Amino acid sequence: AQTVTQSQPEMSVQEAETVTLSCTYDTSESDYYLFWYKQPPSRQMILVIRQEAYKQQNATENRFSVNFQKAAKSFSLKISDSQLGDAAMYFCAYRSAGGATNKLIFGTGTLLAVQP
Amino acid sequence: DAEITQSPRHKITETGRQVTLACHQTWNHNNMFWYRQDLGHGLRLIHYSYGVQDTNKGEVSDGYSVSRSNTEDLPLTLESAASSQTSVYFCASSDLGLAGVNEQFFGPGTRLTVL
Repeated sequence: AQTVTQSQPEMSVQEAETVTLSCTYDTSESDYYLFWYKQPPSRQMILVIRQEAYKQQNATENRFSVNFQKAAKSFSLKISDSQLGDAAMYFCAYRSAGGATNKLIFGTGTLLAVQP
Repeated sequence: DAEITQSPRHKITETGRQVTLACHQTWNHNNMFWYRQDLGHGLRLIHYSYGVQDTNKGEVSDGYSVSRSNTEDLPLTLESAASSQTSVYFCASSDLGLAGVNEQFFGPGTRLTVL
């Protein structure tokens, strides 16, 4: 069975600085998808960025980028030029690509605080 | 605009009562999911459905049931609520497609307290 591990329960960053959130996963599959979700205090789950395992190029969405290391099974999220609105819980998630399986497997989350 | 809604947003109930949480989506998605969120556990899958009349158990299905009579709705029922089921519940939906990312869209969540 696949597992997702986020080893940093809490992180803090100064406004305008860069922060990296860690995520590792375990799987025997070769094709899958990885996601980072943001959950602000409103509780709404917001997709931040996604990565297809077959793509070697790291995904980027504006100030958000990932460092995807397939061999190491690592999928970290880098937030550049941190803003107060980035303060939230961040979840890493895994999804198999095979068949019709659409289930997401989540990590336990990292609570990010942004200091002004 | 298409959306996914949950009701109620907050619910307090007593141990042993039956509770039903509603989930309604207008995306016309075939896939629907129920997760619970607990501190230290992230989101865990309770039940899911890939279409009308299809339901499947997830990681933490004991004490919960779902039924899918149409595309838009997947209600979650707690047959006899227990204090261990105090949690925040999220419904999500995604397109069926066998290929592609098929992003899941989440509802706003329901906070359930069982006293």
